[in-house]
Amino acid sequence: NAGVTQTPKFQVLKTGQSMTLQCAQDMNHNSMYWYRQDPGMGLRLIYYSASEGTTDKGEVPNGYNVSRLNKREFSLRLESAAPSQTSVYFCASSETQGAFNEQFFGPGTRLTVL
Amino acid sequence: QQQVKQSPQSLIVQKGGISIINCAYENTAFDYFPWYQQFPGKGPALLIAIRPDVSEKKEGRFTISFNKSAKQFSLHIMDSQPGDSATYFCAASKAAGNKLTFGGGTRVLVKP
Repeated sequence: NAGVTQTPKFQVLKTGQSMTLQCAQDMNHNSMYWYRQDPGMGLRLIYYSASEGTTDKGEVPNGYNVSRLNKREFSLRLESAAPSQTSVYFCASSETQGAFNEQFFGPGTRLTVL
Repeated sequence: QQQVKQSPQSLIVQKGGISIINCAYENTAFDYFPWYQQFPGKGPALLIAIRPDVSEKKEGRFTISFNKSAKQFSLHIMDSQPGDSATYFCAASKAAGNKLTFGGGTRVLVKP
């Protein structure tokens, strides 16, 4: 079991460029999440998908879009990257969207926007 | 607006010592309080969690203490080991169906 996988591991973009971060899980989980991690800010939820076919905004959704492609895959797109989006991005999944369900995190994507 | 405040930001402890990390929350609707551990270059992983119907939960060398009236909870790492060196995040959530709100994180370094 690979758990939660993310690609790419590192990416450098110029301001205004677009890119898609990919995430896949092999645990048959229903819910998936995208977070960003910035120093001193902890992890902040960008978007989440409670189940296949649904997506909802989290705490910091501006400048991002998501697609729940199927039960396994949840992608995050930056349409026009800005330096403020320089961060480490984590994808996570859980069995359901319940508060008492453990979230399993991927290894992260380190993104730098110049 | 940071709904979960975590302190300290960093902590250095000698091997065998006790590491203590504190968190305070504002939303009284929160009723699930997990702690996540993150090693460099890795994603966070659930360490231990507590619900407010108990005041303390212990798993091995890790203990959560919970004070509902003060809206505070803390993580104690007893007999700290160099392998415990990591960043620790507290989090909070409302009842089933809602999302986790994380604290800012504490970087713990255990010196041999």
